[in-house]
Amino acid sequence: GQQLNQSPQSMFIQEGEDVSMNCTSSSIFNTWLWYKQEPGEGPVLLIALYKAGELTSNGRLTAQFGITRKDSFLNISASIPSDVGIYFCAGYVKAAGNKLTFGGGTRVLVKP
Amino acid sequence: EPEVTQTPSHQVTQMGQEVILRCVPISNHLYFYWYRQILGQKVEFLVSFYNNEISEKSEIFDDQFSVERPDGSNFTLKIRSTKLEDSAMYFCASSVGGQGFYEQYFGPGTRLTVT
Repeated sequence: GQQLNQSPQSMFIQEGEDVSMNCTSSSIFNTWLWYKQEPGEGPVLLIALYKAGELTSNGRLTAQFGITRKDSFLNISASIPSDVGIYFCAGYVKAAGNKLTFGGGTRVLVKP
Repeated sequence: EPEVTQTPSHQVTQMGQEVILRCVPISNHLYFYWYRQILGQKVEFLVSFYNNEISEKSEIFDDQFSVERPDGSNFTLKIRSTKLEDSAMYFCASSVGGQGFYEQYFGPGTRLTVT
């Protein structure tokens, strides 16, 4: 089946920093989604991407749908403490039906 | 803002018992889903439901699992005879269909603990 690999697995942020994470696959995806999950909560949809090359922003978050359709990245600009959480990429493959495949997540932590 | 709700937030059950997890999807949404997340792992698809029938299910969703939309608002997941390995967070999600088909909105989850 389709697998999504996220990197890094975890990262420390310092307030004000820009951070970046990405998601790659050996398969082509038709739609990419980015979610954020905080402890004890469900994933919250941040950004949806539909076309190769598409660049979409939501506040301080920017995500891009890779040209090859096999990757996507998420940037957080000017990070703040409440950006802490786990960020998941998720994707659809039309041929695989209407289920989302999730990546393993990038855990964002605050630098002590 | 409308949201998906789930009850209970935490369910503890003994192995072999039946459990029913409940969800109220967003009211104008047409597609409904269940996912699970074992502690520390990725979110895994279980089943999708549209027009009162299952449209897709994963290998995890075996004969012990069933879903139902008993009325116009609730969407339930039943596990007939729970096993220790069913312990996980279970998330319900819904999407509106049409242009918004791909955008799934998740509930807060039910933590199922099987002892």
